[in-house]
Order: sequence, then C-alpha cells, then structure tokens
Amino acid sequence: NAGVTQTPKFQVLKTGQSMTLQCAQDMNHEYMSWYRQDPGMGLRLIHYSVGAGITDQGEVPNGYNVSRSTTEDFPLRLLSAAPSQTSVYFCASSQRRGTSYEQYFGPGTRLTVT
Amino acid sequence: SQQGEEDPQALSIQEGENATMNCSYKTSINNLQWYRQNSGRGLVHLILIRSNEREKHSGRLRVTLDTSKKSSSLLITASRAADTASYFCATPSNTGNQFYFGTGTSLTVIP
Repeated sequence: NAGVTQTPKFQVLKTGQSMTLQCAQDMNHEYMSWYRQDPGMGLRLIHYSVGAGITDQGEVPNGYNVSRSTTEDFPLRLLSAAPSQTSVYFCASSQRRGTSYEQYFGPGTRLTVT
Repeated sequence: SQQGEEDPQALSIQEGENATMNCSYKTSINNLQWYRQNSGRGLVHLILIRSNEREKHSGRLRVTLDTSKKSSSLLITASRAADTASYFCATPSNTGNQFYFGTGTSLTVIP
C-alpha cells in the first residue's frame, strides 16, 4: 500500500490564482481530512469527510473547497489564493471506530503565495 | 480555538537521557493521542490513551493522562538521536469528526 499520497510536494502561486491540492489513499478509509500547519500554531483542520459524498467544515474552512466523489480521493481547492494561505498542507485518512482512531498522514504540500 | 498546548515548546537533551513533554487541553475527551513529526514529513501516530486510563506504555514511550487537570504527559526513556522530532498531542471532538492538535514540542537529542 502507498498509504496517503499528496501532490504536488511544493507549489508557488501568485495572489488570486486558483489551484487544487490532490490527496489519495489506498487503504479504503472512510474518513479523510485536510489540515494546514503554520509555525507555532500546530495543525488546524480545514475540511473533513466521513465518506464519499459527505464533507464538512473544520476550524479554518474559509477560502477552501473540497469534494469527495470517491472513497480514495479528497482534493482541496484554493479558489483565489492569498498570502495568508502560505502554509504546509497535510491530508490524513483513517478508518473510524467511534472517536478512537489513529490518522495516517500524507507527506504534505508546501504552498507559498506571493 | 480548542487547540491544546504542549510544554515545553523546545527541549534539548543528551542521548540516553529521558525526555518529558506535557500537553494541556481544554474540553472533556474520550481519548488523547500523541503523534511524532520528523522534519519535513507528515505526522505519525505514536500512542492513544483512553479517558479511563491513567497510564499507558509502548516500548520506550510512557503516556499519562489526568482528566481532572486536563493534561497528559509523554515520557521517552533512554532517548536516541533518531527521536529528534516534533511531538504533538491531539484530542477528538465529541462527535469524533474533528481533531484538535496542540502546538507541539520540538525535541532535539544530541548524540
């Protein structure tokens, strides 16, 4: 199994541009999520999905869209990039068992918005 | 924000010493998890402790949980250079649909 994969690894955008960060998992996990990690802030949840066709907002959803058309894929779209979205983005997946489940993280995408 | 906080923010020790880091959180929880992040990588799950457990061991890791104080500690015994990483605690929301991560402790183990 490849686990959780993310592409691209690095990306530079200009303010106002849009792009999609890709995330895929091959573990047949129901739950997938997107986090951003900023220095001194830990990880903050952007959006999550508890299954195909179901998505919901996390702690910091503004400026981002997600969709979950398949179990495997959970892309994150930046609609109009802003410098405040410069961050490292992590996708994670897990097989939910109540509230006690470990998350598997992808390697991250480092995004810079100029 | 419901984020927890780790303490200290940074810790530097000699190889072979023990490393202790603490996590404080804000709401009632069913469980608390610890994750490790090596530089430039994603997080890796280390250990989960449930709210009805006070202490849990896994190899050189020892985790304690004090729900009355809303705090947890992670002890790494006989540290190795390979333990150099950032360590985060994470707590689930009541529904289990969201996770709240602490701000992390950066551990450096000097060979």
